[in-house]
Amino acid sequence: DAKTTQPTSMDCAEGRAANLPCNHSTISGNEYVYWYRQIHSQGPQYIIHGLKNNETNEMASLIITEDRKSSTLILPHATLRDTAVYYCIVRVPTTLGRLYFGRGTQLTVWP
Amino acid sequence: SAVISQKPSRDICQRGTSLTIQCQVDSQVTMMFWYRQQPGQSLTLIATANQGSEATYESGFVIDKFPISRPNLTFSTLTVSNMSPEDSSIYLCSVETGDTQYFGPGTRLTVL
Repeated sequence: DAKTTQPTSMDCAEGRAANLPCNHSTISGNEYVYWYRQIHSQGPQYIIHGLKNNETNEMASLIITEDRKSSTLILPHATLRDTAVYYCIVRVPTTLGRLYFGRGTQLTVWP
Repeated sequence: SAVISQKPSRDICQRGTSLTIQCQVDSQVTMMFWYRQQPGQSLTLIATANQGSEATYESGFVIDKFPISRPNLTFSTLTVSNMSPEDSSIYLCSVETGDTQYFGPGTRLTVL
């Protein structure tokens, strides 16, 4: 049921921007793009979501392409605590509630 | 957002026994969910816990194995029944508020 494709792993130097890509070429017009992360078997942490406009909050920025077939999560200044598995999910908010988690991207931030 | 707590945070159980996991939310929410994360795997939805009605289970999960209660809008329990080592997983509850789903810290279950 996964509708997104992400690289298996990425790494990033501490203090640099981490850019995590996600492909969702079959996204529907009413589906949002959500990003979560999971730090070593803790509960997933919500990061950000968007429909078609770029979004920014205190944690990250979300850049969605104009055709909405892909997006990029940007952590502007990665720290060691950002090491986690990052999940990109597309869904219609509240529709049956389910989130389909794929394998995600293991981001490793190194000193 | 929502603040979610789970009890217990972890447990080690003997096969054939049952464990009830509690999930408490700091605000009233309509939709609560239970997920399982097996070792090295991603999250899988077990069921949606509806207040005042029976839970809705996903394919591959049955009420006899994973009975769920939802007595009010801030609380739910998941029971893992007649456990086997294959039930060793992290069990997570989540809630939908606004248009976002938030997760609890999880319960790490080991079955011997």
